[in-house]
Amino acid sequence: GAVVSQHPSWVICKSGTSVKIECRSLDFQATTMFWYRQFPKQSLMLMATSNEGSKATYEQGVEKDKFLINHASLTLSTLTVTSAHPEDSSFYICSAYTARAGVGQPQHFGDGTRLSIL
Amino acid sequence: QQQVKQSPQSLIVQKGGISIINCAYENTAFDYFPWYQQFPGKGPALLIAIRPDVSEKKEGRFTISFNKSAKQFSLHIMDSQPGDSATYFCAGVTGGGNKLTFGTGTQLKVEL
Repeated sequence: GAVVSQHPSWVICKSGTSVKIECRSLDFQATTMFWYRQFPKQSLMLMATSNEGSKATYEQGVEKDKFLINHASLTLSTLTVTSAHPEDSSFYICSAYTARAGVGQPQHFGDGTRLSIL
Repeated sequence: QQQVKQSPQSLIVQKGGISIINCAYENTAFDYFPWYQQFPGKGPALLIAIRPDVSEKKEGRFTISFNKSAKQFSLHIMDSQPGDSATYFCAGVTGGGNKLTFGTGTQLKVEL
């Protein structure tokens, strides 16, 4: 149980294009979804938190106009990297969490999306 | 501000040995401490977790030891296997799971 699917797993695109990444909780309803960014050999850095039906909360230093997050349902959140540039190349990982199972529940992570901007 | 410090950065252990990874935290609001295992090109997977009112938790070959007064906790991997070679992250959680702060990670290599 608690499976989170992320798509695509790898994308290469030209500088200036926009890229959309999907995150789905397959067997549970996620009250909250998180988006992280991870550089090689580094830890995961939280970018934003999104609750279903409301605007995402972005961490300090994350450009909300560049990283658009939509959490339209309890099982789907999307991250769109707008006008992507080479410095946006990274490993993007989503996670899903449900508060409905009680306090102290873990976040469940997708397998990440490797984004390469040429 | 890094709120969870993790050491060592990398670790090499012989097959069958014990792998020990340590973490220290500052934020006393953390109410849950999970460990995640991450293989290259994959997302982190929950390995084991502990609440601060428990001093030790064991699941198979994996044990968390927790020292609340010292604000430290550690992961012990007994009988380490080559398949355990991965990056391990400790974390602190606040808000009932709503906010997760990762440690810096430990790259473990188990050699034959």
